[in-house]
Amino acid sequence: GNSVTQMEGPVTLSEEAFLTINCTYTATGYPSLFWYVQYPGEGLQLLLKATKADDKGSNKGFEATYRKETTSFHLEKGSVQVSDSAVYFCALRVAYGNNRLAFGKGNQVVVIP
Amino acid sequence: DVKVTQSSRYLVKRTGEKVFLECVQDMDHENMFWYRQDPGLGLRLIYFSYDVKMKEKGDIPEGYSVSREKKERFSLILESASTNQTSMYLCARSFLEGSETQYFGPGTRLLVL
Repeated sequence: GNSVTQMEGPVTLSEEAFLTINCTYTATGYPSLFWYVQYPGEGLQLLLKATKADDKGSNKGFEATYRKETTSFHLEKGSVQVSDSAVYFCALRVAYGNNRLAFGKGNQVVVIP
Repeated sequence: DVKVTQSSRYLVKRTGEKVFLECVQDMDHENMFWYRQDPGLGLRLIYFSYDVKMKEKGDIPEGYSVSREKKERFSLILESASTNQTSMYLCARSFLEGSETQYFGPGTRLLVL
């Protein structure tokens, strides 16, 4: 079935460091792919998305490229800030017609001043 | 501003109690979803609804039921709460077609004693 795998474990890094969070997927067809972010004490909100191969989603300095050949959608940011500390979830649309999503397990990102 | 309201941020209940979690949206979105979020497991879909009185099971429906009598309100019901239902519960909504973005509420943290 359709599923998403995120790298294991929390990510701790210093301010202005480069951030990468890996996401790979298994799917039939070519699903839309998403990154959601959850700030402390809040629900999830859409960070960026890509709907077809080679599309690049971007927002707030974050980027992710839909790579069909490697079935990946890695999230990157060139210079993180303390305010980027959050949990990041990769997701894909499971089926057409009801917008159901399958989520990865999430990665806690902690940015230290 | 798209809003999803959940009736409580924190809830403490006893084993065996019947628990109602309410979710209200202020837009005309057809789809509504209930997830639970647990450390190391990410988000798991419990139930979703694509219209009034329509519902479909998600990945972990056991021990839960739902009700959607009006388009703007989607309720999650724990018929007889158990300690393994202690979790964060998130409600989300989206359009049936077109935009795939899901909009989330702030979550209800439920503790079952």
